[in-house]
Amino acid sequence: DIQLTQSPSFLSAFVGDRVIITCRASQGIYSFLAWYQQKPGKAPKVLIYAASTLQSGVPSRFSGSGSGTEFTLTISNLQPEDSATYYCQQLKDYPLTFGGGTKVEIK
Amino acid sequence: EVQLLESGGGLAERGGSRTLSCAASGFTLSSYAMNWVRQAPGKGLEWVSDINGGGYETFYADSVKGRFTIARDVLKNTLYLQMNNLRPEDTAIYYCAKRRRDGRNSDLEFWGQGTLVTVSS
Repeated sequence: DIQLTQSPSFLSAFVGDRVIITCRASQGIYSFLAWYQQKPGKAPKVLIYAASTLQSGVPSRFSGSGSGTEFTLTISNLQPEDSATYYCQQLKDYPLTFGGGTKVEIK
Repeated sequence: EVQLLESGGGLAERGGSRTLSCAASGFTLSSYAMNWVRQAPGKGLEWVSDINGGGYETFYADSVKGRFTIARDVLKNTLYLQMNNLRPEDTAIYYCAKRRRDGRNSDLEFWGQGTLVTVSS
């Protein structure tokens, strides 16, 4: 199975900061990676798919990059509504797997 | 407008069974792959199962293989998850999710609101 390691597991930042979340795959997954945002009590929603394609309606301060085994989700100009947990998911092989999540807190 | 409405959650006994439903609207199930994903209380996301648009190809997480069955009824445009031999560790919110397209490698574009299954020990 492909393992995804997200780091950090928790981060706290100020409004306006730039934050970077990393997702490392245990083997190459090309660009078959998605990023999801989940707020408490809500279902996850996709932010980025195919590693770097922004989902329609998602603010442009969110961006994704990477391929192979190293991926990043960047939130530029962090906003209060970005307080959430973020997950990466690999879509190359079954079983599809998620990273452990990164909780983002606004200071 | 795409909508996914899960139902069927509730309390189940260890060793018991439960069937979850996910009523889809705004699109046709036969044109997209569909997934079930679960989240135990306070924990992260765990992928559970996948079915392709044709309904003939299914995949399962090792943790549920042999106990859970994914299926869909195209006439009712509804996705199902039949869960047998339930264990306390199956306690979770179960989400159904529509993949961006049929076939592999596409993300989970749209999610339902989830239904909670609690398995008593």
